Amino acid sequence: DSGVTQTPKHLITATGQRVTLRCSPRSGDLSVYWYQQSLDQGLQFLIQYYNGEERAKGNILERFSAQQFPDLHSELNLSSLELGDSALYFCASSVIAGRTDTQYFGPGTRLTVL
Amino acid sequence: GEDVEQSLFLSVREGDSSVINCTYTDSSSTYLYWYKQEPGAGLQLLTYIFSNMDMKQDQRLTVLLNKKDKHLSLRIADTQTGDSAIYFCAESPNNNDMRFGAGTRLTVKP
Repeated sequence: DSGVTQTPKHLITATGQRVTLRCSPRSGDLSVYWYQQSLDQGLQFLIQYYNGEERAKGNILERFSAQQFPDLHSELNLSSLELGDSALYFCASSVIAGRTDTQYFGPGTRLTVL
Repeated sequence: GEDVEQSLFLSVREGDSSVINCTYTDSSSTYLYWYKQEPGAGLQLLTYIFSNMDMKQDQRLTVLLNKKDKHLSLRIADTQTGDSAIYFCAESPNNNDMRFGAGTRLTVKP
């Protein structure tokens, strides 16, 4: 158990819908990262937050957005869902913000878009 | 094609050395990483190397970087069955964006 929690574990929804994925970092970690893992696209870094502010942006679509709240939990919002958005979404956290700081991964949320 | 390329499969016998290779395309990459993903789990950062280094050793892991050829390798000495996993190579040009390879599935046979 990494100490990073993600909810829900599984999510099944329809095209065009909007969902919110939630992540709680390890206690004391200030930085949160979101990743998408799919068969088509492989593993992609989406976005990083540090202490409530966006720190780095990767291959995140405009239909997707994220935020980190004062209690440091983070949410990833996916809207106008398409079939290709079906993937495993991982959240990770680290103490600080450096890329070489050890990132602890959550168990992931499996999103299925029908 | 992908910016970061890896072979998809590698099979070794327990006790042998494993070498997983990776090529990347962005010469401005300042950090290069190796991650491990076990079944049903997230990624675990194994090791990383700065672009101004040629080699880094960390216990059973050795990372070699050939910056001229944009080639990165991960050597696992005395490979154990617990090393069976998918290994991802990743580059980060500016310590922000990260690009991953497709992953190499390492199978360790007893």
